[in-house]
Order: sequence, then structure tokens, then C-alpha cells
Amino acid sequence: AQSVTQPDIHITVSEGASLELRCNYSYGATPYLFWYVQSPGQGLQLLLKYFSGDTLVQGIKGFEAEFKRSQSSFNLRKPSVHWSDAAEYFCAVVLSGAGSYQLTFGKGTKLSVIP
Amino acid sequence: DGGITQSPKYLFRKEGQNVTLSCEQNLNHDAMYWYRQDPGQGLRLIYYSQIVNDFQKGDIAEGYSVSREKKESFPLTVTSAQKNPTAFYLCASSWNSNEKLFFGSGTQLSVL
Repeated sequence: AQSVTQPDIHITVSEGASLELRCNYSYGATPYLFWYVQSPGQGLQLLLKYFSGDTLVQGIKGFEAEFKRSQSSFNLRKPSVHWSDAAEYFCAVVLSGAGSYQLTFGKGTKLSVIP
Repeated sequence: DGGITQSPKYLFRKEGQNVTLSCEQNLNHDAMYWYRQDPGQGLRLIYYSQIVNDFQKGDIAEGYSVSREKKESFPLTVTSAQKNPTAFYLCASSWNSNEKLFFGSGTQLSVL
């Protein structure tokens, strides 16, 4: 069965430090990949997505993610974290050509930022 | 402003009571979705609708019901059959089932 794993439940970084949030998936074929961010008590906002092409994708708020087929990973990165980045981050995956109703979300990684 | 509106923000349910969560969108999206979010569990799909007057069960539909009488509206009813309804409920929509999701700000449902 398809699955998405975010190995880190909670990460704490200092403001200005770099960030990498991990996401691994198990699919037999090339998936579409997404990263969403959720502030407390709010809905989810799309940060970036990968469908095809360049494996390094740029998103909003200075985030980027790299698709590595050989590692079945789609890790999210940011070179310098701001206090406002504190939130929960969700990786999501769907098979290419499948509908959005077949999106599988990871369990999320909560990011705390130390001033 | 275009967007998805969920109401109420907080909702309380008494034992044996049905409650309905509202979701309205003015984005002219065809597809709408309901997710349940529990702490540490990510999002799980309850129901989705790709077109008016049609909807499909998701992964955890038991104890829930929906309707899609209008394109803009996709209300979710949490019935008394749902024995563990306390959760954060998120509504989402998309242009079609192959496009990215736009999310509402959620409804927190608690049991009295």
C-alpha cells in the first residue's frame, strides 16, 4: 500500500539556522509530491509541488524541495529559518494521473523556532 | 475575497446528537473534500465530491454524511454513529480532482 513517512515528529531550530524536513514515500511509480504548511488552528497552505521536470522546486516563503527518485524522498529545505516559520508541515503524495481525492498525507512534522 | 469558509470555528456535540459543519467556497471549484485531522495522525479523507449531486466515500466515512446540492456548498454531518467525533475538520476544494487543494480554516469539534 502507498504510504508517506515523515520521520521527525518535532524539530526545533534556532532562528537563522538552516532547516531540512524529511519526507519519504513508497510508490511503485512516479508520484506527484506536495508540501503543505499549517499554522495552529488553521487550514493548510500549499508551499510547493513537484509534478515533473527539474527535481529542485522552489516554493513560497523561501522554501525549496528536492525530489530524489533513488531515495524515494522529497525533503523540504530552507537556508535561514524565521520565527514565523514555526508551524506544522505536511508532505503529501498522489500517483501521477490519480485524483486529488487519492492524496496521502504524512503525519506531519512540527517545527519550533528558538529566537 | 475568494476562498473557502468553514463555520463554526468551534462546535460542541452532546451525546447522541447530530451536528453539521458548514463549508462554502466561492472559487468556482468543482471538487470539494472533507478531511479529519487528529493530533499526530495527519489528514484522513472522509468524503469527497467531484461534481454537484455526486459524492464518494473516503477512507473513514463511517458515522458521517454529506450532501452536494450546490456547487458552492458541501456540508458535513457528524452523526451519533460516530463514536469518536472529537477532531479538527478541514474542508478543501480544487478546480478538478487533478489540481491542488485549497483549504478552509477548519472546525474544531468537541464532545460535551
